[in-house]
Amino acid sequence: AQTVTQSQPEMSVQEAETVTLSCTYDTSESNYYLFWYKQPPSRQMILVIRQEAYKQQNATENRFSVNFQKAAKSFSLKISDSQLGDTAMYFCAFMRPGTYKYIFGTGTRLKVLA
Amino acid sequence: GAGVSQTPSNKVTEKGKYVELRCDPISGHTALYWYRQSLGQGPEFLIYFQGTGAADDSGLPNDRFFAVRPEGSVSTLKIQRTERGDSAVYLCASSQGQANTGELFFGEGSRLTVL
Repeated sequence: AQTVTQSQPEMSVQEAETVTLSCTYDTSESNYYLFWYKQPPSRQMILVIRQEAYKQQNATENRFSVNFQKAAKSFSLKISDSQLGDTAMYFCAFMRPGTYKYIFGTGTRLKVLA
Repeated sequence: GAGVSQTPSNKVTEKGKYVELRCDPISGHTALYWYRQSLGQGPEFLIYFQGTGAADDSGLPNDRFFAVRPEGSVSTLKIQRTERGDSAVYLCASSQGQANTGELFFGEGSRLTVL
């Protein structure tokens, strides 16, 4: 069975600085999707970034990028130029292609300080 | 609507009561999902609909939980004889067809508190 581990329950970063959130996962599959979702106090989960395991190039979306290490089963999220609006819970998630079940980690609460 | 809509936003009930939680997905999305998020945890899969039928209900914790989607759009999650352990945020999500790109669009959830 797949598992997703986020070992940092809480983190904080100064506005405009860079922060990296960690995620590791366990699977025997060779192809899969990995995601980072943001959950602000409104509770709505919002997709931040997605990575397909067969793509070696790390995904990037504006200030958000990932460091995907397939052999190490590691999928960290880097937020550059942090903004106050980035304050939220961040969840790492795993999904096998052709399925519909996300396996989520327990989340990291990020606080951006003014 | 533009996004996934869930009602009620908050529901407080007493142990043993029956509750219904409603989800209105994004127009045109054929796939609909329910997840449950307990305090301090990530969401956990409950059930998946493709059209009107429940394609996978393996995440429902027991037979007190049931969900329907009679016309392939709005879905209702029904919980009978509620227990304090059912307290959680119930998240609904939708996607176009089976989530072959992976992205799900979530609502803001219904927070259920069982006293």
